[in-house]
Formats: sequence, structure tokens, C-alpha cells
Amino acid sequence: GQQLNQSPQSMFIQEGEDVSMNCTSSSIFNTWLWYKQDPGEGPVLLIALYKAGELTSNGRLTAQFGITRKDSFLNISASIPSDVGIYFCASGTYKYIFGTGTRLKVLA
Amino acid sequence: DAMVIQNPRYQVTQFGKPVTLSCSQTLNHNVMYWYQQKSSQAPKLLFHYYDKDFNNEADTPDNFQSRRPNTSFCFLDIRSPGLGDAAMYLCATSREVRGRRNEQFFGPGTRLTVL
Repeated sequence: GQQLNQSPQSMFIQEGEDVSMNCTSSSIFNTWLWYKQDPGEGPVLLIALYKAGELTSNGRLTAQFGITRKDSFLNISASIPSDVGIYFCASGTYKYIFGTGTRLKVLA
Repeated sequence: DAMVIQNPRYQVTQFGKPVTLSCSQTLNHNVMYWYQQKSSQAPKLLFHYYDKDFNNEADTPDNFQSRRPNTSFCFLDIRSPGLGDAAMYLCATSREVRGRRNEQFFGPGTRLTVL
């Protein structure tokens, strides 16, 4: 079945560093969504992408919809301690499948 | 603020005792979803309502049922909870209109414990 491969699985970075994570699919999708989830909470939508090649920013976050429509990446610039959490990509039309998540830990 | 609300946030039930989780939304979205999320895993879609149409995922156990009495409310019923059903249950909504950009928003989740 369809699945999203998200990498890296986890990362430890120093405060102030930039972070990059990506998501790849075996299928073509029309929408990519990036979420952040804190422990014990629901995922919070960070960025939504709808067009191949689209590059969208939300504060220190930047995400791009890959040209092949089978991948997407998320960058976080100048990380801060509150960036810690699990980041999920999701893709689909109105029914979404989720990536396996990237667990981010920021060392002050 | 428009939002997705889940009650209760924490639910404890006994093995085999039916339990109902609720979700409401003020976003006036036409699609509502229920996901199950176990520790350190991605959310797994159980089913969704597209307007009034119920859509079950093929691998969702029969033990899980859902009701959507109106646009704003959706319920997840677990008829006979087993220990393996202990998880975070997430409700989500989206507004699906052809040709429009559609985003999916989640509630805060209900953590279910089965004793």
C-alpha cells in the first residue's frame, strides 16, 4: 500500500542550528501537509503545500513541494528549545497518510 | 476561535466496558476523521465521514464504530475495549470543496487507558 518515508527518524541539534527533514512517497499526491506534535497533544498544522515546486514559509519554517510530486522537505532555521517535538508529513487528497515522524531534540 | 474540541482529554475504562469518545467542531467543516495513535507512531486513520457518508478503513476492527448526528459532532464508540486499544484518539476535520485548497485540523486528542 501507499506509504510515506520520513527521514531522519530523530535528530539532536544545538540551539541556533538549522534543521532539515524530508518525506518521500511511492505515489504522486496533490497535497503535502507538515505537522508538529507535542507530547500528549494533537498535531498542529504548520504548512500546507498544494502545487509542485511550491515553496512556502511560516516564520522560521520553510517547506517545499517537490517537482516530482513524490517528495517534500521542511526546514527550520535558527532552532530554539521550543522546536522540540515530533514532526509529521502527511499527504493525500482529502484522506491523508502520515509519515513515520521525525523526533527533534534541541540542546540549549 | 474556531476549533476542534475533544472530550474527555483522558478516559479510563475497564477491559470489555463500552466507551464513547466525542469530538465537536466550530469550523463548519464537512469532513470529520478519527485516528488512532499509539506511542511513538504516526496517526492511523480509522474512518471518516464525508458529509453524512461514512467511510471505514479496511483494517479498522469491527469493535470500533462511529456516529455523526450532525455537522458539528462526531463520536467514536469502542464496543468492547481490549488492552491493545489503549492509545491516543485524535479527531480531525477538513473542508473539502472541489478545486479548493483543503487543510486538515486536529483536536487535542483523548488518551484512552484500558485497565
